Amino acid sequence: GDSVTQMEGPVTLSEEAFLTINCTYTATGYPSLFWYVQYPGEGLQLLLKATKADDKGSNKGFEATYRKETTSFHLEKGSVQVSDSAVYFCALRQGAQKLVFGQGTRLTINP
Amino acid sequence: NAGVTQTPKFRVLKTGQSMTLLCAQDMNHEYMYWYRQDPGMGLRLIHYSVGEGTTAKGEVPDGYNVSRLKKQNFLLGLESAAPSQTSVYFCASTSRTFGYTFGSGTRLTVV
Repeated sequence: GDSVTQMEGPVTLSEEAFLTINCTYTATGYPSLFWYVQYPGEGLQLLLKATKADDKGSNKGFEATYRKETTSFHLEKGSVQVSDSAVYFCALRQGAQKLVFGQGTRLTINP
Repeated sequence: NAGVTQTPKFRVLKTGQSMTLLCAQDMNHEYMYWYRQDPGMGLRLIHYSVGEGTTAKGEVPDGYNVSRLKKQNFLLGLESAAPSQTSVYFCASTSRTFGYTFGSGTRLTVV
């Protein structure tokens, strides 16, 4: 079945550092890809998405490009802030609108 | 505010007790989902519904039942709670053209 694999956390960075969180997927068709963010004590919020190969999703300084040839959707940000500390989930969707999630990556940004 | 509302937010059950978690959405979404979130395992789909009166099993359905009698509500039931069902439960809804909207979660402890 479809699956998503994220780099294991936790990830700890200093403020203004460059961030990459790796995400790869396995799917039989052509899924849409998503990054969700979960702040402490809250539900998941959509951060960005891409619906076809070579699409780039972006929001709040975060970016991810849908790479069909490497089945990847890595999340990047050029300069992180303390407020970016959260758990990040990569996910895919196809068929019956079901989302399949990776295991999540906890990110901590130190001032 | 429009969105997904989950009740209750917290609950402690004794082993063998039953309870129902309520999810309500006011966005007229067709699709609704129940996920559970456990440390290091991301979100796993329990049951989902593609429309009023329909339900289907997800990845981890055992020990849970659901009902979708009204389009706006999706109920998750535990008939005989077990410690393995200690988790954070998230409800989500979506339509074909919009992304998922998540509730803020229900933290359930079974002792």
